[in-house]
Amino acid sequence: LAKTTQPISMDSYEGQEVNITCSHNNIATNDYITWYQQFPSQGPRFIIQGYKTKVTNEVASLFIPADRKSSTLSLPRVSLSDTAVYYCLVLPPMIKAAGNKLTFGGGTRVLVKP
Amino acid sequence: EAGVAQSPRYKIIEKRQSVAFWCNPISGHATLYWYQQILGQGPKLLIQFQNNGVVDDSQLPKDRFSAERLKGVDSTLKIQPAKLEDSAVYLCASSRLPRQGTGDLGEKLFFGSGTQLSVL
Repeated sequence: LAKTTQPISMDSYEGQEVNITCSHNNIATNDYITWYQQFPSQGPRFIIQGYKTKVTNEVASLFIPADRKSSTLSLPRVSLSDTAVYYCLVLPPMIKAAGNKLTFGGGTRVLVKP
Repeated sequence: EAGVAQSPRYKIIEKRQSVAFWCNPISGHATLYWYQQILGQGPKLLIQFQNNGVVDDSQLPKDRFSAERLKGVDSTLKIQPAKLEDSAVYLCASSRLPRQGTGDLGEKLFFGSGTQLSVL
């Protein structure tokens, strides 16, 4: 089971880049990494997913080293509205076989200050 | 596309009472999930359906919790009888199979806003 470990919290300031690293030492060969964002009183929202190297979309970048035992979510130039909890999940391609991997860990609480 | 709909938004009950939550997933999404999120923790998967069949309910406390997804669309989650420790937000999510050519690696979960349950 690919258990994930993330920092509990991080503080940042508007305009800075925020990098959140997730450790997943027991990731399986076919597993991919996905990140979700959750604001208060809302359900989590998908941000980005990747298998290896680097993935970038309009919201964030995801860096995955060659050994895939960790991944880093990068949020460029954060604003106050990026204050949220960020969750890392490691999932198999067939979600039917995901089992307990679909339970979210504690996530990382990011606080963006003015 | 319309999002995942859940109701009610809030519910307050006394312990030993019963309560039910309703979820309408995004149209066309075959997989539906119910999660429990206790304050300060990440969402915990309770049950996963694919169409109207149960895929995983290993973390569902079956002595008091039940869920069904008739006709493979809407779903209800019931707690009977409720305990104080059931106070939490109950989230419903749905997902579809990855679409070829989109770069999707796996199913993306789309969550509703949840039902906040307080058991007094």
